[in-house]
Amino acid sequence: QLQLQESGPGLVKPSETLSLTCSVSGGTISSNSAYWGWIRQSPGKGLEWIGSIYYSGITYYNPSLRSRLTISVDTFKNQFSLKLRSLTAADTAVYYCAGDRSGFINILDPWGQGTLVTVSS
Amino acid sequence: SSELTQDPTVSVALGQTVRITCQGDSLRTYFASWYQQKPGQAPVLVIYDKNNRPSGIPDRFSGSNSGNTASLTITGAQAEDEADYYCNSRDRSGNLVVFGGGTKLTVL
Repeated sequence: QLQLQESGPGLVKPSETLSLTCSVSGGTISSNSAYWGWIRQSPGKGLEWIGSIYYSGITYYNPSLRSRLTISVDTFKNQFSLKLRSLTAADTAVYYCAGDRSGFINILDPWGQGTLVTVSS
Repeated sequence: SSELTQDPTVSVALGQTVRITCQGDSLRTYFASWYQQKPGQAPVLVIYDKNNRPSGIPDRFSGSNSGNTASLTITGAQAEDEADYYCNSRDRSGNLVVFGGGTKLTVL
């Protein structure tokens, strides 16, 4: 059974860079046609797609975050990662990783449990 | 990118049928997926490819599509179905993901 788990700091200072990792177990991150995505949810708000990476390494980013965002994959560690630069308080959110083995990018299943990231000095 | 619009709140009497809708231009081309999120929990996929259910999702959940509108129907709503529901789809380019704003379902 595929499972995903986010890890990273819970508190980051404004202007710094957020680095999160999603560890994949129960399956290989190199699966044909698989996408691996990041989604966030600000307190009390809805879901916002951050971006996804295809199993081949091609990335797709939310246009509103593209200038600050890098998503990468480490096939040896069976992980994928997010780096979000120049943080502000508006980046405070629960960050989720999710897998999509359908090949359609938007069929997100399963999800990690999420990790709360607070941007504050 | 395109937008997906959902009603913020919907209510249903216990055991009755409720439809939650999602509107957007991209739905004329791409199917919606639907996610259930309970407080403090990660979202769970309940419908994909218009009307497919992942393993473990009760068959009272179903999906449909018409024009620019996707719908999630719960037939015989249960107390445990009270949750936030989000639709998502691809944008017009087919390469980006968009989410609806979410619908809070109350089971009375």
